[in-house]
Amino acid sequence: AQSVTQPDIHITVSEGASLELRCNYSYGATPYLFWYVQSPGQGLQLLLKYFSGDTLVQGIKGFEAEFKRSQSSFNLRKPSVHWSDAAEYFCAVGTGANNLFFGTGTRLTVIP
Amino acid sequence: DAGVIQSPRHEVTEMGQEVTLRCKPISGHDYLFWYRQTMMRGLELLIYFNNNVPIDDSGMPEDRFSAKMPNASFSTLKIQPSEPRDSAVYFCASSFYIGGLSEQYFGPGTRLTVT
Repeated sequence: AQSVTQPDIHITVSEGASLELRCNYSYGATPYLFWYVQSPGQGLQLLLKYFSGDTLVQGIKGFEAEFKRSQSSFNLRKPSVHWSDAAEYFCAVGTGANNLFFGTGTRLTVIP
Repeated sequence: DAGVIQSPRHEVTEMGQEVTLRCKPISGHDYLFWYRQTMMRGLELLIYFNNNVPIDDSGMPEDRFSAKMPNASFSTLKIQPSEPRDSAVYFCASSFYIGGLSEQYFGPGTRLTVT
């Protein structure tokens, strides 16, 4: 069965520092992978997605993610965090046959 | 396009009352999803439709929950009777395709509080 693990419930970084949010998935075939961001009181917005091809994917707001099949990971990165990046981040896997399976989310706090 | 529209944004009701949540998907999208988000269980898929037809309702928690999509531009999620444990944020999302083939666009959610 497919599943997504986000091992970090809460991360705090200083503004301007680099960021990496971890995501591990479990799926028997090549997955479709997504990162969504949810600002307080808002719905989820797609940051980036991976379907195939280049394993380093660029997204909106300066985010990128790298698909590593050997590690079953799809970690999200940003070289320099802005205060406006404070939000909840969700990794999701799509099997192509059904719906999206979401991780439990990582809450990002940005300190000045 | 205005995106996925949900109403109301907030709903407070008493236990035992009927609650109806509404969703207008993005025009042209042929899939519609209802999710529930709680601190304890995270984001859960309740049901999804394709071309107005329910495809998978295995996530609907109980018979108290029902969802309809009478046309391509409107869907409802109804809880009757409501219970305090139904308190959550309910999201509607729509997409062109299912799962890995296309992204889902989420509405702003309805925060339901059942007292």
